[in-house]
Amino acid sequence: SAVISQKPSRDICQRGTSLTIQCQVDSQVTMMFWYRQQPGQSLTLIATANQGSEATYESGFVIDKFPISRPNLTFSTLTVSNMSPEDSSIYLCSVRSGTYGYTFGSGTRLTVV
Amino acid sequence: DQQVKQNSPSLSVQEGRISILNCDYTNSMFDYFLWYKKYPAEGPTFLISISSIKDKNEDGRFTVFLNKSAKHLSLHIVPSQPGDSAVYFCAASARSGGSQGNLIFGKGTKLSVKP
Repeated sequence: SAVISQKPSRDICQRGTSLTIQCQVDSQVTMMFWYRQQPGQSLTLIATANQGSEATYESGFVIDKFPISRPNLTFSTLTVSNMSPEDSSIYLCSVRSGTYGYTFGSGTRLTVV
Repeated sequence: DQQVKQNSPSLSVQEGRISILNCDYTNSMFDYFLWYKKYPAEGPTFLISISSIKDKNEDGRFTVFLNKSAKHLSLHIVPSQPGDSAVYFCAASARSGGSQGNLIFGKGTKLSVKP
């Protein structure tokens, strides 16, 4: 299965600022997925990042708040913009991985103060 | 409304005994179910899956049972080991019907296996 490097692993940010999270995959993949896990909640899909086209956002998530880049088939970034304390979550990227469903990065634990 | 529910936020089991983690779903279009295990500061890792055409899938100490009529699945770990202590997520997808098969996750159950 694919190996994903995600960074930063954690950050503490001031409200109103933005944070960009990076994911690097060790193989070429068509789609990359970005998830959020708020405290005590399930993993929720934010958007699907496709190379060469705009990301597809799930209901409740918008591009202005979570802009995504996908410059090539092994890399993607998610930016959390104009952060507020409600954005404090774990953010994870993932890719489809054969018969195992999905492989996840190690996650970014974001705290907004 | 949650489509995948794990109603037990935590479970404590003695080492060597059986751990049973439960999961319920509401969407009858789901046809593939997965269990993921997550340690602190790590991403979820795949554990075991089951297709809706089966009612049981076994992999070593881990067995997943699916009851489609009840829209219920369970993960059995036997014997439980302290290293199994982690958060377990149930996930479901609807792979057929041309969908992307995006995973819908439950909130997770934190399993503690005590020596």
